[in-house]
Parts: sequence; structure tokens; C-alpha cells
Amino acid sequence: DGGITQSPKYLFRKEGQNVTLSCEQNLNHDAMYWYRQDPGQGLRLIYYSQIVNDFQKGDIAEGYSVSREKKESFPLTVTSAQKNPTAFYLCASSIGVAKTQYFGPGTRLLVL
Amino acid sequence: DQQVKQNSPSLSVQEGRISILNCDYTNSMFDYFLWYKKYPAEGPTFLISISSIKDKNEDGRFTVFLNKSAKHLSLHIVPSQPGDSAVYFCAASAGGSNYKLTFGKGTLLTVNP
Repeated sequence: DGGITQSPKYLFRKEGQNVTLSCEQNLNHDAMYWYRQDPGQGLRLIYYSQIVNDFQKGDIAEGYSVSREKKESFPLTVTSAQKNPTAFYLCASSIGVAKTQYFGPGTRLLVL
Repeated sequence: DQQVKQNSPSLSVQEGRISILNCDYTNSMFDYFLWYKKYPAEGPTFLISISSIKDKNEDGRFTVFLNKSAKHLSLHIVPSQPGDSAVYFCAASAGGSNYKLTFGKGTLLTVNP
């Protein structure tokens, strides 16, 4: 049963704390992406990775970091430098040359 | 600078009627367009796409029309069903190996029984 999983579903961050959101896919997709959605807004690209060990900044990368050590995994760290981290975070993946992206269920991050 | 615009935040239609969701874009480099459906607190689900070499693509109840000269695309849902009630996002991608998608802000569709 192929798909994209994100965990946890809800995550709470304290001030000054770094937190990491997990994204795993078993679709054998080359490319993976992280988006952020705020209320009443579209999805904004944070980071993307086209192949293992390579990733590029998206439109709103400040305060975030990623790694791509395995094809299946693309974790996102929300650092303390991100001053407004409360949002719904979505991970997606796509086959290398295709442009259709498939999304995971999302993680809602809240600040305590 | 919003390159993909969905100017209607919401749309309400009666069950069985046609729903038409609109999307405008400004970047002439966009050559691939997609529509996603999203329920609250869930990830978007891919619905249908269209390449710029076509002007229409149909999949069951869903049809996407592309007017390149007007930089406009629309999603038609016929007949509309209550289960279609969701937020619909338009997205676009430029050519080459850049897989980045640019999303509009979405339109909330409500289909009334």
C-alpha cells in the first residue's frame, strides 16, 4: 500500500526549541517537497529535493532546515529562528520527470 | 507578486448543477497546470492536470479548460455532488527540470443538497 506518511499529526513547540517533522514515502519517487499552509492562504514552498543528498530552498526557507540522506525520507526541522512557526505543514513527492505531486496528510505545528 | 490567482474565495452550487472554478496566471513560462482538492486538516488530493499543448482535459465528472491567450484555466464539475464540497487549489509549473509548483489561494466549494 504505497503512500506518503507524515508524523506526528500534531506537534507542539516551546519557545526557542527546534522541532523535526517526519516525512516518509514508499512510492519510489525521486523528488520530495515541503510546503506550509496558513489560514486563507495557498501552499508556499519551503524546500525541495530532486535527488538524494541534494536540496534547494523554496520561497520561504528562512528558519527551516532539511536533509535528504535516503530516497524515502525528507525530514523538516523548524528552528528557533522561525518566528511564526504555527501552520499546517505538508510534505509531497513526485516521480522524477513528472510534475504531479502527491501529498501526505500533514502535520499541524502549534507554539506553546 | 501572486503568479497564480483564484479570485473567488468561495462558490456555492446546488447538487446536480455545474460547478465552475476559475484560475488566472501571470507567468507565461507556466506550461503545466493542476487542480487539487483539499478537505480541512488533510493533505491535498490530485484531481486533474493539463499541459499547455492542450486546451481541454477530461476525467469523469471533471474537465479542465485552458485558454493560453487569456492565461486562464477553469475546472468544471458536472454534476456536482455534496462530497465535492472542499477547497480547490489551482497550481502551475514552469518548463524544464524545475518541479516547483506555484499554488493559488484556493476556492471553497460548497455543494448544497
